[in-house]
Amino acid sequence: QSVLTQPPSVSGAPGQRVTVSCTGSSSNIGAGYDVHWYQLLPGTAPKLLIYGNSNRPSGVPDRFSGSKSGTSASLAITGLQAEDEADYYCQSYDSSLSDVLFGGGTKLTVL
Amino acid sequence: EVQLVESGGGLVQPGGSLRLSCAASGFTLSHNWMSWLRRAPGKGLEWVANIRQDGSDIYYVDSVKGRFTISRDNARNSLYLQMNSLRVEDTGVYYCAREIAAAGRGEVRRFDYWGQGTLVTVSS
Repeated sequence: QSVLTQPPSVSGAPGQRVTVSCTGSSSNIGAGYDVHWYQLLPGTAPKLLIYGNSNRPSGVPDRFSGSKSGTSASLAITGLQAEDEADYYCQSYDSSLSDVLFGGGTKLTVL
Repeated sequence: EVQLVESGGGLVQPGGSLRLSCAASGFTLSHNWMSWLRRAPGKGLEWVANIRQDGSDIYYVDSVKGRFTISRDNARNSLYLQMNSLRVEDTGVYYCAREIAAAGRGEVRRFDYWGQGTLVTVSS
C-alpha cells in the first residue's frame, strides 16, 4: 500500500479527457510539498511529464496538465490519443519518512 | 540530447552480485546529482540511491543499505551501482536518472531524464 494512492487503472476513448488522482496526507502533499508526474511507456525511458505540481517540461504537449489541492494532486490528459496508453506515476516527499516517494501507478487504457 | 544508457543487468542467484553501469551523454555529468531507481514486477517505482555531484554525499533506501553501493566517475561520464547479497525482492528494472535538486521550501527533487533501464532477475 503506497503512501500516495493512485487508482490502479483509468480509461477513456480517443479525444476524451481523463484524470489521474494522487491522494496523500498531511505529511506529504498536504504539507505543501511539490508533486511531479511521470509517464512510463513499455520499453522506453520514463518521462517527466509535470513538475512542481503544474509545470510542463519543454516538449511535453499542453494536453497534459497538473494541479494540486489540499492533500491531493491530479494529472489531466485532454484530447486522448492512442500513444498516451501508458503507466503514470506521481511523486512527492514525505516528512515522516524523510524520503522521496512514488504513488502506486495508474495504467491508462485508450479504448 | 541527454542520453542515459544502463547496462549490466541479468540473472543472478540469491546472494549473488551484479554491477550496473550507466553511460551519460549530452550533458556534463559533474553538474548533477544522479540516482538509481527500480520498478519491481507488478509494483511501482522505488528510489534506490543517489550521489552528489562530487560523490561526497550518498543516500540509500533502507532496504538496500549495506548491500548496494552507488558510485560515479565523472571523467568517464558514468554512474555505477554495485549490488551484493542480492535477494529475490531486488528483482526489477533498474533505471539511472538525472536529478534536479530541490531548491526551496516545498520543492521536491525530481528526475528529469531517465535511461531505458536494465533488468535484474534474482532467482534460483
